[in-house]
Amino acid sequence: AQSVTQLGSHVSVSEGALVLLRCNYSSSVPPYLFWYVQYPNQGLQLLLKYTSAATLVKGINGFEAEFKKSETSFHLTKPSAHMSDAAEYFCAVIFYSSASKIIFGSGTRLSIRP
Amino acid sequence: NAGVTQTPKFRVLKTGQSMTLLCAQDMNHEYMYWYRQDPGMGLRLIHYSVGEGTTAKGEVPDGYNVSRLKKQNFLLGLESAAPSQTSVYFCASSRTGVNQPQHFGDGTRLSIL
Repeated sequence: AQSVTQLGSHVSVSEGALVLLRCNYSSSVPPYLFWYVQYPNQGLQLLLKYTSAATLVKGINGFEAEFKKSETSFHLTKPSAHMSDAAEYFCAVIFYSSASKIIFGSGTRLSIRP
Repeated sequence: NAGVTQTPKFRVLKTGQSMTLLCAQDMNHEYMYWYRQDPGMGLRLIHYSVGEGTTAKGEVPDGYNVSRLKKQNFLLGLESAAPSQTSVYFCASSRTGVNQPQHFGDGTRLSIL
């Protein structure tokens, strides 16, 4: 069955430190991949999207993600965390074999320590 | 520019009651979606629509009905609410296919007692 796995339901980093949020998916076919961010009491907002044009995708707010087909991963990174990055982050994948429906990971809550 | 607007923002129901959640988008998007968000489970698709007058089942459709009579509106109905339907409900829209970025509303917090 198709699945999206986000390792770590909660990640805490210090302000200025590297942010790494992990996403793995189960498929041998390169799909569409997304990262969304959700701030408290708000809906999800698109951070970035992979569409096979380039393996390294740059998004908003200094975030980027690298698609690695051999590892079926699409991890999200940011070189230097800011207090305003505290939010919940969701990886989402479209698997072509499932009628092009999008599947969301369970989310990772990012906390930033002063 | 409102984007996607959901009403109401909060609601408390008793078991067995019915209600309708309204979603409106002003971006002329073809596709619209209803999700539920539960702790530790991400978002799960309930129903979606690929255009005015069309609806289709998602991952967790049981206990819900939807209608898309107008392109800008997508209604989610609960005919007989159950405690298991306590959740946060999100509506989203996308310009065309599901591979396009989705724009989300701010959610409706629904509690069933």
